Amino acid sequence: GESVGLHLPTLSVQEGDNSIINCAYSNSASDYFIWYKQESGKGPQFIIDIRSNMDKRQGQRVTVLLNKTVKHLSLQIAATQPGDSAVYFCAENDRMEDSSYKLIFGSGTRLLVRP
Amino acid sequence: GAVVSQHPSRVICKSGTSVKIECRSLDFQATTMFWYRQFPKQSLMLMATSNEGSKATYEQGVEKDKFLINHASLTLSTLTVTSAHPEDSSFYICSARYREDQPQHFGDGTRLSIL
Repeated sequence: GESVGLHLPTLSVQEGDNSIINCAYSNSASDYFIWYKQESGKGPQFIIDIRSNMDKRQGQRVTVLLNKTVKHLSLQIAATQPGDSAVYFCAENDRMEDSSYKLIFGSGTRLLVRP
Repeated sequence: GAVVSQHPSRVICKSGTSVKIECRSLDFQATTMFWYRQFPKQSLMLMATSNEGSKATYEQGVEKDKFLINHASLTLSTLTVTSAHPEDSSFYICSARYREDQPQHFGDGTRLSIL
C-alpha cells in the first residue's frame, strides 16, 4: 500500500540551532498531515498539522511546510532545545476503501540535541 | 485541551492472565478511538478502530478474540488482552479522535510485560 516515509532516521543538532525533519509521502490524494513528537516511554504528542490547501503553517517555534508537487513534508524547529530530543513522526490521514480515515505513520526520525 | 488518559501505565503479570487497559478522553467526546501496538524503535502499528456503540474493526492479522475492545461511551474504550503470553509483551497505545478531519490524540501508553 501507499506509505509515508522519512529520509533520515537520526538527526543530531547543536542546542540553539534550527532543526529540519523531512518526510516523503506517496499518496497524492492525501489532504491532511500531522506531526507528532514521541518521548521515550510516552505516547505520541500532537505538534502541528497542515491541510493540503496550505503550503506552510506556523506554531510556537515550529513550522510545517508542505510541497504537494514533490509530495514532501517538513518540520522545522527553531532554536532547538534539549527538551526537543525525541522521535518525530509524520502521519498522513488517509481515507480507506470503507471511507474511514486512519493515520499512516512514517518510520520516525530521532532528534538528538547536543548541549 | 484534547487530553487522553491511558491506564495503567505499566503491567507485569503471569502468562495466562487477562489484562484490561483503559483509554479515556478527558475533555472531548471521542467518536472514534484507536488501539496501537509499538515495538522498540519502530513506528506505531494500528491494531483496531473502535466507534462508540459499535463493534471494533480489526486490522488484518490481529486476533479479535485475543484483543477484546469495548467502546461503551464517547469517552471510554477498553482493550482486554485475553490469556496473555510472553509474545504479547509490548507497548500498547490508544488514541482518540473527535472527528475524521481532526487529529488523533494519544494516551501515554501501557507497557505490558508477560512473564
